[in-house]
Amino acid sequence: GAVVSQHPSWVICKSGTSVKIECRSLDFQATTMFWYRQFPKQSLMLMATSNEGSKATYEQGVEKDKFLINHASLTLSTLTVTSAHPEDSSFYICSASILGAKDSPLHFGNGTRLTVT
Amino acid sequence: ILNVEQSPQSLHVQEGDSTNFTCSFPSSNFYALHWYRWETAKSPEALFVMTLNGDEKKKGRISATLNTKEGYSYLYIKGSQPEDSATYLCAFKWRTSYDKVIFGPGTSLSVIP
Repeated sequence: GAVVSQHPSWVICKSGTSVKIECRSLDFQATTMFWYRQFPKQSLMLMATSNEGSKATYEQGVEKDKFLINHASLTLSTLTVTSAHPEDSSFYICSASILGAKDSPLHFGNGTRLTVT
Repeated sequence: ILNVEQSPQSLHVQEGDSTNFTCSFPSSNFYALHWYRWETAKSPEALFVMTLNGDEKKKGRISATLNTKEGYSYLYIKGSQPEDSATYLCAFKWRTSYDKVIFGPGTSLSVIP
């Protein structure tokens, strides 16, 4: 149980275009979903916390107009990288915690490798 | 700024060796400490969620201890196998974090057959 599906697994886009990444919890409801970014040889850097029905909370240094997060339901959060540039090329991964489960671990998607040309 | 550190950064051991690595985290406002295993081409998988000082948890050949007063956790792997090769991440959750979890940089383990 506790499966998180992230789509797409990889995407190549041209500079200036926007890319949407979806994160779905398939068999549970997620109070909160988190979006992380991983730079080469570095750890997971938290970008934002996404709560269903409310605005996302962004970490310091993350541009909210650049990385649009929508959490429309308890099972779906999306991250849209707007007007992508080569420096946005990275590995993005979402995770979710189970609604009502105290001390629940995070359940991760498989991640999305974004390459902006 | 909350900082979670892990050491060593990477580790190469022979099959059958036992090994351990460290996670350091802020000792104030502690809520929980998570350990994850992240194998190449897979998503991170939760190993343990630890909340109490002195906690010891075990899953097969892997175990972990927690010291919240001094802000560290150890992960032990007994009799390492090639399939244990992965990056091991610890993550810290504090009392006012509203579920937010901050990750350490990870320890990359390679087990040589």
